[in-house]
Amino acid sequence: LAKTTQPISMDSYEGQEVNITCSHNNIATNDYITWYQQFPSQGPRFIIQGYKTKVTNEVASLFIPADRKSSTLSLPRVSLSDTAVYYCLVGVLNYGGSQGNLIFGKGTKLSVKP
Amino acid sequence: NAGVTQTPKFQVLKTGQSMTLQCAQDMNHEYMSWYRQDPGMGLRLIHYSVGAGITDQGEVPNGYNVSRSTTEDFPLRLLSAAPSQTSVYFCASSPGSEAFFGQGTRLTVV
Repeated sequence: LAKTTQPISMDSYEGQEVNITCSHNNIATNDYITWYQQFPSQGPRFIIQGYKTKVTNEVASLFIPADRKSSTLSLPRVSLSDTAVYYCLVGVLNYGGSQGNLIFGKGTKLSVKP
Repeated sequence: NAGVTQTPKFQVLKTGQSMTLQCAQDMNHEYMSWYRQDPGMGLRLIHYSVGAGITDQGEVPNGYNVSRSTTEDFPLRLLSAAPSQTSVYFCASSPGSEAFFGQGTRLTVV
């Protein structure tokens, strides 16, 4: 299993762009990178997923360099409601065994201030 | 389409009691799993299932049993509750890529 390393916490202000980097030096060829968001007292929520280069959706962008040993979640113009814990996960997609490998670390606690 | 539904939302047990946490999904996902989350910690995988009749252990399976008789339901059983099992429990289902989580069950064992 590819282990991930993220900052424990980050602070930001409303309107700023926030970049959270995740290291995964032992990522395997078949592994995808997935980010989840968790608000207090709620279950995690899928944000974005990618394999290489750049992925963008209505919520965030995910940047993955060519060596795939790290990835960066980018949240544009954050608001107070983006205050949450963000988890980076690495694993294969097909559930022939993959989701048993859906291992969460402690995540990054993002605090957005007014 | 309710997604993933967990019941109860809150529960207090005495040490040694048994109970079942319920989890149901209406998305026809083959994969389901149970996690526990302790204060300030990430989620730890307890058990998972890749389809009806198939279950397997995760990181922290001791003290918990599961079964998967239907695609929709994946109950988690605590056979003899211990204070160390005080936690928030999340159930998730997945079509194989992203996972959908329930709202959680907050369990306190006294």
